[in-house]
Amino acid sequence: KNQVEQSPQSLIILEGKNCTLQCNYTVSPFSNLRWYKQDTGRGPVSLTIMTFSENTKSNGRYTATLDADTKQSSLHITASQLSDSASYICVAHYGNNRLAFGKGNQVVVIP
Amino acid sequence: EPEVTQTPSHQVTQMGQEVILRCVPISNHLYFYWYRQILGQKVEFLVSFYNNEISEKSEIFDDQFSVERPDGSNFTLKIRSTKLEDSAMYFCAARGGMGNQPQHFGDGTRLSIL
Repeated sequence: KNQVEQSPQSLIILEGKNCTLQCNYTVSPFSNLRWYKQDTGRGPVSLTIMTFSENTKSNGRYTATLDADTKQSSLHITASQLSDSASYICVAHYGNNRLAFGKGNQVVVIP
Repeated sequence: EPEVTQTPSHQVTQMGQEVILRCVPISNHLYFYWYRQILGQKVEFLVSFYNNEISEKSEIFDDQFSVERPDGSNFTLKIRSTKLEDSAMYFCAARGGMGNQPQHFGDGTRLSIL
């Protein structure tokens, strides 16, 4: 079954601290993996994309990793800001542009 | 950056009524999608649309649902005879023609069935 699991479900971090979000996926045939940020009441916005051959990709303070052998990905947020409070959704692309969504990691950054 | 625009932002409808959710994709995008997200659950794929026809649909997209692009710009999702369990956020997405182009999502329509 094509699915994506994320952990932790939610976390609270202090402003300025780092955090890492985890994603495990089982899709076939795998195409690429994206992390999306979904602010409350908004649609998801793509942060990073990683293909099979890429191990790490950065977008500002966001760094994603991908281990295609273990089918795991992580999203690291450096020096968190209050505006980082959001749901971070791991999405595995497979087949003919089909998407398998994770449930999201709910991040709350507090001052 | 151009956005995918969805209207209305919130729709409240009596059970059994028909609703039409509207989306205006980015003008040069070729592939269009509808997703739904029930409160507290994952985003789920409903349907993809290309070249004025459905290219793929999920098991959720039954005869109750239909999509069309009536005027070349708007992309609509119609739900006939709504049920309580249709209450969800409905997201429209669009992407260009290149293989790894991201899907751009609208901000969604919150559908509440009473």
